[in-house]
Amino acid sequence: EDQVTQSPEALRLQEGESSSLNCSYTVSGLRGLFWYRQDPGKGPEFLFTLYSAGEEKEKERLKATLTKKESFLHITAPKPEDSATYLCAVQASGATNKLIFGTGTLLAVQP
Amino acid sequence: DADVTQTPRNRITKTGKRIMLECSQTKGHDRMYWYRQDPGLGLRLIYYSFDVKDINKGEISDGYSVSRQAQAKFSLSLESAIPNQTALYFCATRKTDEETQYFGPGTRLLVL
Repeated sequence: EDQVTQSPEALRLQEGESSSLNCSYTVSGLRGLFWYRQDPGKGPEFLFTLYSAGEEKEKERLKATLTKKESFLHITAPKPEDSATYLCAVQASGATNKLIFGTGTLLAVQP
Repeated sequence: DADVTQTPRNRITKTGKRIMLECSQTKGHDRMYWYRQDPGLGLRLIYYSFDVKDINKGEISDGYSVSRQAQAKFSLSLESAIPNQTALYFCATRKTDEETQYFGPGTRLLVL
C-alpha cells in the first residue's frame, strides 16, 4: 500500500537553529514528491517538486532532497516567519491524479 | 487576485441539509480536485475532474457529489450533511502536462 510518513510531528526551533524534516514513503513507482507549506486557516502553498533520487531544490532558507525511500526538507537559519505546517505528498506512477499526503510537521520558530 | 478561489470560506450547517461549496480558478488549468483535511489524517481526495465531461471518484466520495460547470468552475455538494463531514475542504487545480497541484484557500465546514 502506498504510504507517506512525516517526522517529527512537531518541531520547535530557536531562530537561527538549522534542522531537517523527514518524509518517508513507500510507493509503487514514484512519479513525483511534493513539498507544501500550510499556514493556519489557509490552503497548502506549493514549495518544491522532486522527481528522482539525488535531486535537490532550494528556495531561500529551504532545501529539499530526495532518495529512493525518503525526502528531507532542510531549513537553514530559520526565522519566525518560517513557522507553519510542512506537508509532503507523493504521486505514484500508476495513479496519475492521486496525491498521497503525509500528516505534516508543525514547525514553530521562536525569536 | 487569487488564482484559485473558494466560496464560502466558512459555513455552519445542520445535519440533513444540502450544501454546495464552490471553486473557481483563473489559472487556465483543465484538471480540478476536491480534498478534505481532518486533523491527524492529512488531505484525502474526494473527486477529481480532467475536463468538463470527465468526473472521477476519489478515495472518499460517499456522501458527496460534484459538478464541473465550466473549465474554471468545480462545485462540491453534500446532499445530506452529517456531523462527520465537518472538515476543511480544499479545491486544487493542475495543468495536464505538469504534476504540481495548486490549492485554494479552503472552506471550513461545521455540521451540527
